[in-house]
Amino acid sequence: DAGVIQSPRHEVTEMGQEVTLRCKPISGHNSLFWYRQTMMRGLELLIYFNNNVPIDDSGMPEDRFSAKMPNASFSTLKIQPSEPRDSAVYFCASSPTPRGSFITDTQYFGPGTRLTVL
Amino acid sequence: SQQGEEDPQALSIQEGENATMNCSYKTSINNLQWYRQNSGRGLVHLILIRSNEREKHSGRLRVTLDTSKKSSSLLITASRAADTASYFCATDATIQGAQKLVFGQGTRLTINP
Repeated sequence: DAGVIQSPRHEVTEMGQEVTLRCKPISGHNSLFWYRQTMMRGLELLIYFNNNVPIDDSGMPEDRFSAKMPNASFSTLKIQPSEPRDSAVYFCASSPTPRGSFITDTQYFGPGTRLTVL
Repeated sequence: SQQGEEDPQALSIQEGENATMNCSYKTSINNLQWYRQNSGRGLVHLILIRSNEREKHSGRLRVTLDTSKKSSSLLITASRAADTASYFCATDATIQGAQKLVFGQGTRLTINP
């Protein structure tokens, strides 16, 4: 298994530009999570999906952030317009979450996208 | 404040020594997990311990959980240079009605050859 795949691995953009981060979860996993990691705030959950449906987006910082999961094998996180304070490493994670288990069981992380907004 | 907080924030030891990291949390949990993050990489799951378990082993890793003290420890025995990484504990928490996995700030472990 290739694990969780994220693209791009690095993104440098200018303030005001639109940024789209992509994630392919592990096949068969039905939960997908987007996290943001910064030195100041650590690892923060932005949003998670279960069976392609957004369950909790309370961690999304503001309306500039949006996430979609059009099918079980693909998700995007979009920032529009981007700002320098969005600079961080963004991780996607997936989890099998079998019936009867907790949404907070083992998660499998991708390598992350390092975003720099100038 | 954080649901899970690691202690110490940084730890530097010699190769071959044992490394112990601690995690404290505030609310009741269903499980507690430990993850490792190598520099520039994603988090890797190490071990999960359920609230009804007290100790769990995986190779050179030993995790204990004391729910009465709301604390856990991760012991790495016979450390190796490759163990150099940040280690995070993660606990489940219900925040604003939604269940989430909440990560601590991590312990930076350096193994000196």
